[in-house]
Amino acid sequence: DAKTTQPNSMESNEEEPVHLPCNHSTISGTDYIHWYRQLPSQGPEYVIHGLTSNVNNRMASLAIAEDRKSSTLILHRATLRDAAVYYCILRDTNSGGSNYKLTFGKGTLLTVNP
Amino acid sequence: EAQVTQNPRYLITVTGKKLTVTCSQNMNHEYMSWYRQDPGLGLRQIYYSMNVEVTDKGDVPEGYKVSRKEKRNFPLILESPSPNQTSLYFCATRSGGRWNQPQHFGDGTRLSIL
Repeated sequence: DAKTTQPNSMESNEEEPVHLPCNHSTISGTDYIHWYRQLPSQGPEYVIHGLTSNVNNRMASLAIAEDRKSSTLILHRATLRDAAVYYCILRDTNSGGSNYKLTFGKGTLLTVNP
Repeated sequence: EAQVTQNPRYLITVTGKKLTVTCSQNMNHEYMSWYRQDPGLGLRQIYYSMNVEVTDKGDVPEGYKVSRKEKRNFPLILESPSPNQTSLYFCATRSGGRWNQPQHFGDGTRLSIL
């Protein structure tokens, strides 16, 4: 799977929007962009995914650059519960056969200040 | 409610004493997988299973066994645990079918092998 680069950490204030960036300059045309997060003492949790178009769901929005070399996860109003490590993962539909393995990097540790 | 249940959540044991970590899911998912999470190394896949009686090695299978006799259960077996298997373990599941189904993780099992 192609490599992603995320900042090690970011800080936000409660009830403010948060933009978490992810660079993936070697992304291929068949790579989906997935975001998971891991809250303290819990397993990873799916957030959102997309291919080319921007995506919204109840948890977040995903903005994908036109050239797909970067993307941004947007939390519209951060809460204390959003403090977690956020992982940006590329998943190639053509690789890995039917093993749906996720390759987690180091992610971004988001701190939310009250 | 969709659930992936791991037991035990915490275990301290000694080298060589066989142990089993259970994973059970209530979503009728075909795919199940085990990961271990270590500081600085992220999450690494140990074994995965595409369906009942179908299992295969992930990236770090040495020292582990799995079985998939029923769809809902995917136990991880350490026949002769060693201190280097001290880690945080996660079970994950996803449904088959559409490629981009999200994965669901359990809350983790923290193993300490003395």
